[in-house]
Amino acid sequence: DIQMTQSPSSLSASVGDRVIITCRASQSISTYLNWYQQKPGKAPKLLIYVASSLQSGVPSRFGGSGSGTDFTLTISSLQPEDFATYYCQQSHSAPFTFGPGTKVDIK
Amino acid sequence: EVQLVESGGGLVQPGGSLRLSCAASGFTVSSHWMHWVRQAPGMGLVWVSHIDSNGFNRLYADSVQGRFTISRDNAKNTLYLQMNSLRAEDTAVYYCARGNTYYDFWSREYYYMDVWGKGTTVTVSS
Repeated sequence: DIQMTQSPSSLSASVGDRVIITCRASQSISTYLNWYQQKPGKAPKLLIYVASSLQSGVPSRFGGSGSGTDFTLTISSLQPEDFATYYCQQSHSAPFTFGPGTKVDIK
Repeated sequence: EVQLVESGGGLVQPGGSLRLSCAASGFTVSSHWMHWVRQAPGMGLVWVSHIDSNGFNRLYADSVQGRFTISRDNAKNTLYLQMNSLRAEDTAVYYCARGNTYYDFWSREYYYMDVWGKGTTVTVSS
């Protein structure tokens, strides 16, 4: 199985900050990488697919990059509604494993 | 409106069974891969199972293989998860999610989950 790791596991940031979350796969997954946002008590929401494609309706301050084993999710200017937990997920091969999550909270 | 609504969760004793349902609207489940993903209290997301659009390819996480069965009823446009021999570690919120596919220039297929239900809670406890 492909293992996914994320760093940091949590971070504190202020509104307007640039936030970068990294995700690493245990083997090369090309660009078979998706990012999801989850707020407490809510279902996950797709942000980015194929490593860098922005899902319809997602603000352009969210961006994804990377290929192979290393990926990043960037929030260019953090907004109040962005405080949440972010998960990467590989879709290269089953089981379609998720990373452990990165919690973004208010500094 | 594209929507998924899960039901069927509840409290069950260890060794018991439950069947979860996921009713879809605004799209046809048989046209998509469909997934179950769970989240234990305070923990992260874990993929559980999926069924492909043909209904022939069904995969499971090792932790539920042989105990859980994914299926769908095309006439009811509903996805199911039959859960048997339940254990305490199966306690979680169970989400169903629609799979979607992106095709690149070389027709390679990339999968992602673009629509999620709100989840249904399963508690396994005596």
